[in-house]
Parts: sequence; C-alpha cells; structure tokens
Amino acid sequence: DTGVSQNPRHKITKRGQNVTFRCDPISEHNRLYWYRQTLGQGPEFLTYFQNEAQLEKSRLLSDRFSAERPKGSFSTLEIQRTEQGDSAMYLCAETGGSTDTQYFGPGTRLTVL
Amino acid sequence: LAKTTQPISMDSYEGQEVNITCSHNNIATNDYITWYQQFPSQGPRFIIQGYKTKVTNEVASLFIPADRKSSTLSLPRVSLSDTAVYYCLVGDSNSGYALNFGKGTSLLVTP
Repeated sequence: DTGVSQNPRHKITKRGQNVTFRCDPISEHNRLYWYRQTLGQGPEFLTYFQNEAQLEKSRLLSDRFSAERPKGSFSTLEIQRTEQGDSAMYLCAETGGSTDTQYFGPGTRLTVL
Repeated sequence: LAKTTQPISMDSYEGQEVNITCSHNNIATNDYITWYQQFPSQGPRFIIQGYKTKVTNEVASLFIPADRKSSTLSLPRVSLSDTAVYYCLVGDSNSGYALNFGKGTSLLVTP
C-alpha cells in the first residue's frame, strides 16, 4: 500500500457535466502523475507535475481537461463538459523516496451516462 | 519511449513457476526495465525494476540478458492471488518519464 489516496473512488455523471477528482500523494515534493485507463487497456499517460509545475501534457489531455497541483501537494483533475468517451479509470501516481519508481493510487472510476 | 511486446495472456497452475518474457528491441542506454502488477479495479503495483543481469526481491526475479533487448519476470510458486495483469515498461527513470504500459500480460492461475 503506497498511501496515495484518490477521491472519489467512483463517480457517475451525466454527459455535459463537469467533474473533479482529487489525488493526495504521500510527499509534497515528489513528481505526481495522472493516467487514464479504459477497459482492457493499460494506463495511458495524461500529465505530470514536479512540485506545482505542470511539466508535460499528453495529446490525450484535450482542452476540456485541466490539472492543477497548488502548493505542490495534492492535485486535482477536472473534466469539463464530460462525454461518454471520458468513461475510464483515472489513476494518480507519485514517485517515491529516493527513486523514480511510480507508485499508484487506487484510482477514480468515472462513468458518463 | 521504447516499445515493449509481451504475451497477451498466460495460464498456470498453483505452485508452478511462471516466466513472462518481454521484448524491447529499441531499449536505450539510459532505460530501466520495470514490471507492474494490476488487479481489477486497482491501481498498478510496482513489482521489480532492473537495468541489467538479475534482480531479485521478495516477490519476483527479473532476468535481463547482456543485450538488454528482452527481459523475463519470474514468479516462483504462484498462487491464485497472483492472477492479475502484468505490465513490462521501459523508460529513463532519470527524466521524469511517463510510463508506457501497453496491454500487459493477463495471467490466470488455477487450482
């Protein structure tokens, strides 16, 4: 158990609504990553932060997606005007200790109706 | 990011040793090889990481030949609870790299 927590664990929303997920890593100053995983596929990288700076964004991160990490601690991922294709598991990971190994949280499963 | 190829699925009986091989022909000099395990509705769990030769921990062993173009994850004496998807990843851990998971290998352990 890495201790990375994500909330909520499950979210059901109607198409067109906005949703926000939260990730609480163990450490404030390690790198923090967001991934998306659809059924039968491996996780796909969305974006990552070093402290509060967002250093890389995948082309998967459309204009409707925005991520923040204020003060370099917890992070939020917001999806505006959700679409059915946004239904997926959203995973947060952080690097741990003195290594660059990524440790994942339990994920937030989003269902868009 | 170096592309990896691994079997889609594998079956094993309890108590047997399972070896999952991953090909990564385009691995770069600075790339490490990392394996993750994932159960349904959970985040991936780090298993083991290596650069060359052999790495062993309390869970698994990782064998990497001299050319580093492939690697083999070895799970000794699997149990039913080892049924999961196993991902092989290659990347430069010093660059804050984004992990490229692929589809992984779905391992089914039966009695």
